[in-house]
Amino acid sequence: DTGVSQNPRHKITKRGQNVTFRCDPISEHNRLYWYRQTLGQGPEFLTYFQNEAQLEKSRLLSDRFSAERPKGSFSTLEIQRTEQGDSAMYLCAGLRGGNTEAFFGQGTRLTVV
Amino acid sequence: AQTVTQSQPEMSVQEAETVTLSCTYDTSESDYYLFWYKQPPSRQMILVIRQEAYKQQNATENRFSVNFQKAAKSFSLKISDSQLGDAAMYFCAYRTLTQGGSEKLVFGKGTKLTVNP
Repeated sequence: DTGVSQNPRHKITKRGQNVTFRCDPISEHNRLYWYRQTLGQGPEFLTYFQNEAQLEKSRLLSDRFSAERPKGSFSTLEIQRTEQGDSAMYLCAGLRGGNTEAFFGQGTRLTVV
Repeated sequence: AQTVTQSQPEMSVQEAETVTLSCTYDTSESDYYLFWYKQPPSRQMILVIRQEAYKQQNATENRFSVNFQKAAKSFSLKISDSQLGDAAMYFCAYRTLTQGGSEKLVFGKGTKLTVNP
């Protein structure tokens, strides 16, 4: 167990609906990533937080995507007006201090129908 | 931009044998980190081994070792005495630092390792 939990584990939604995922890292994880992983592919970077500051967003993160990390604790990823192409596994990872090891959650699998 | 290439989509090995997974990367940076992550079916991705580019000595972690060839930009993973629990997707990753204090991991597409009893 990496100590990073993600909820929900699975989400099925209709196209056009909004969805929100939550990531709870451990308290020592001052840095946090969101990644997206589609079948047969490696994880693709979405965004990075250092404490509550969102320092980088990928071009993959269209205007329909938004992420927050209030108070530098848990983080949420929201997708508005979902499209079938958004179907993927969404992974969150926490990092502590200046350490380079990323601790991944089990992911949220999104299916857009 | 940094890229990571894993040329073996699938590999198989007999239990107790040795297998090597390949990874190449492209970068203009001189100091960086490389990683191998393991993703078992339906389970969390975990770090297997890491290598700091400025260290010439290859990293080892028990049955796992790397062959880091900086000039060739190659970073292969050797698994010795393979066990059934080693069956998983293995991802090679490169850590890059960006302007403004950001960082990210760039992953390859992965290699699916099957361990045969």
